[in-house]
Amino acid sequence: YVLTQPPSVSVAPGQTAILTCGGSNIGARGVHWYQQKPGQAPVLVISYNIDRPSGIPERFSGSNSGNTATLTISRVEAGDEAVYYCQLWDRHTDHWLFGGGTKLTVL
Amino acid sequence: EVQLVATGGGLIQPGGSLRLSCAVSGFIVNDKYISWVRQAPGKGLEWVSIFYSGGATYYADSVRGRFTISRDSSNNTVSLQMNSLRVEDSAFYYCVGGEGSSYFDYWGQGTLVTVSS
Repeated sequence: YVLTQPPSVSVAPGQTAILTCGGSNIGARGVHWYQQKPGQAPVLVISYNIDRPSGIPERFSGSNSGNTATLTISRVEAGDEAVYYCQLWDRHTDHWLFGGGTKLTVL
Repeated sequence: EVQLVATGGGLIQPGGSLRLSCAVSGFIVNDKYISWVRQAPGKGLEWVSIFYSGGATYYADSVRGRFTISRDSSNNTVSLQMNSLRVEDSAFYYCVGGEGSSYFDYWGQGTLVTVSS
């Protein structure tokens, strides 16, 4: 099973960033999203498609349907610039899979 | 406060062995799912191994048979024994804790393993 993310997305401050994660019938699975800033460990920002951990701004939201899971960042700020990874657990193989990551650039 | 501190990284020759250790504070390792996730410099994330709270263990295909994950309840630590190391095993190794088995809540700072002759 492969998770496909676009390498880069650019957005102006205040606009909405839409980051995608593609996979076969991924809508049937629980997808998680991580934010990784340079030199830092990743941080979980969305779990099980839509759940936001404590401390994550409401500007971060997720959805998952069909062959695409989506992380949406509203009112983008300079501090949101990071690489974002999608991830899921493949119960058929007991493997934990990551997408290749999308670098979000705030113009 | 939850902390996971990974140690044991370093420079090792191909074919050699290294043991990484993860000291956990803020929760009991027996109660959570503890994983190792690695990241080659400038590259993406790759799951390596997981130790279930119930005791089951799983490995990525790329390391199965060479790496062994273990848990020490008395010291609240999780270790990763890495044998037959290859150049492609070079990466930052993160110790990661999860409330559930599916995702990764708590990340340590990572320890760098460099496999080179």
